[in-house]
Amino acid sequence: GESVGLHLPTLSVQEGDNSIINCAYSNSASDYFIWYKQESGKGPQFIIDIRSNMDKRQGQRVTVLLNKTVKHLSLQIAATQPGDSAVYFCAETGSGGYQKVTFGTGTKLQVIP
Amino acid sequence: DSGVTQTPKHLITATGQRVTLRCSPRSGDLSVYWYQQSLDQGLQFLIQYYNGEERAKGNILERFSAQQFPDLHSELNLSSLELGDSALYFCASSAWDRGNYGYTFGSGTRLTVV
Repeated sequence: GESVGLHLPTLSVQEGDNSIINCAYSNSASDYFIWYKQESGKGPQFIIDIRSNMDKRQGQRVTVLLNKTVKHLSLQIAATQPGDSAVYFCAETGSGGYQKVTFGTGTKLQVIP
Repeated sequence: DSGVTQTPKHLITATGQRVTLRCSPRSGDLSVYWYQQSLDQGLQFLIQYYNGEERAKGNILERFSAQQFPDLHSELNLSSLELGDSALYFCASSAWDRGNYGYTFGSGTRLTVV
């Protein structure tokens, strides 16, 4: 079936550096994409989203890039901090909201102090 | 506090038993979703409800069932439990009907089957 996957299971980054977490999706009908952060023992937390009619969206220290041509999504975290250490999931859904959100397998971000 | 409340936080039970997990969505959200997360695994979609009606089903076992009540809280029932059912179970809610497609997750119920 359709799936959303991540290229790297673990990413280690030096504190202060920028982090880039990548995600590939296969459902060309997806038109809404979301990044979630999950800290240990907690539920996933919404970070940022982007619609398919956009290719870039910025938040506070985070930027999501969408390349529909190659079905690729990335999350950039600027000036990575120890508090950014978590598992990051990308997710996709179709329009309407009835359809379930499909999550990728997750990338663990480790920030080295 | 995300606004989505899940109880209990922890549950330990024996194989063959039945448990009920409860979720109260964020105020005003009509959609409730259940996800299962096994150790170091991703989030597996189980089932979605909207305003009391089942809307979408994922890889939910026949031993599992759920419902959403008129007050919008939802319950996930797990029966004939097996060791492999040990996992974190998350509930999420959304207000997609108001144009907000993002999910708000609860803190989860950790189920341990022994």
